[in-house]
Amino acid sequence: GQNIDQPTEMTATEGAIVQINCTYQTSGFNGLFWYQQHAGEAPTFLSYNVLDGLEEKGRFSSFLSRSKGYSYLLLKELQMKDSASYLCAVLKNYGQNFVFGPGTRLSVLP
Amino acid sequence: EPEVTQTPSHQVTQMGQEVILRCVPISNHLYFYWYRQILGQKVEFLVSFYNNEISEKSEIFDDQFSVERPDGSNFTLKIRSTKLEDSAMYFCASSEAGTVKPSEGYTFGSGTRLTVV
Repeated sequence: GQNIDQPTEMTATEGAIVQINCTYQTSGFNGLFWYQQHAGEAPTFLSYNVLDGLEEKGRFSSFLSRSKGYSYLLLKELQMKDSASYLCAVLKNYGQNFVFGPGTRLSVLP
Repeated sequence: EPEVTQTPSHQVTQMGQEVILRCVPISNHLYFYWYRQILGQKVEFLVSFYNNEISEKSEIFDDQFSVERPDGSNFTLKIRSTKLEDSAMYFCASSEAGTVKPSEGYTFGSGTRLTVV
């Protein structure tokens, strides 16, 4: 079966650092992606991991451990505009469809 | 920056009616996808399409649904005999090749909000 878990909601303060965790169990794995989704809008791509380790991209970093079925997204220097849902998604087959997690709604407070 | 265009942005239809959701993928992309997101729930894969045929579909994509590339630019999702539970945001996506580019993921369209009443 396919199962991806994320916390439902998180709250953090402007300027702080927040880590959003994701655990997954899928029948295939060809990479783990993180997407940002503002309410009523399309998901937008943030990051990608296929090998174990940390990928850094500006204020955003993503980590993957394939043996543990675990990833996290790290957001630094939080801004109000970072208030959104963050979706963990596993690319199941080579080049085909994503399995999305339920998303984590992040609220950034002043 | 190239984008995936979806029309209409919002459609209201009566239960039992047929709807067609339209998408214009990025022009040099060859792989097309439909996903849906019921309000407050996760994004779910419906179907992928390549070379004028379905390459993969989910359990959700039953006989009520069909996809078509009627010309060189449009990619449509048809829902026959709509039900209340079909109310959702429908996202179209495209990718240049069958392998998703690590630097880009997919490019999603802005979505069509379908409301069945």
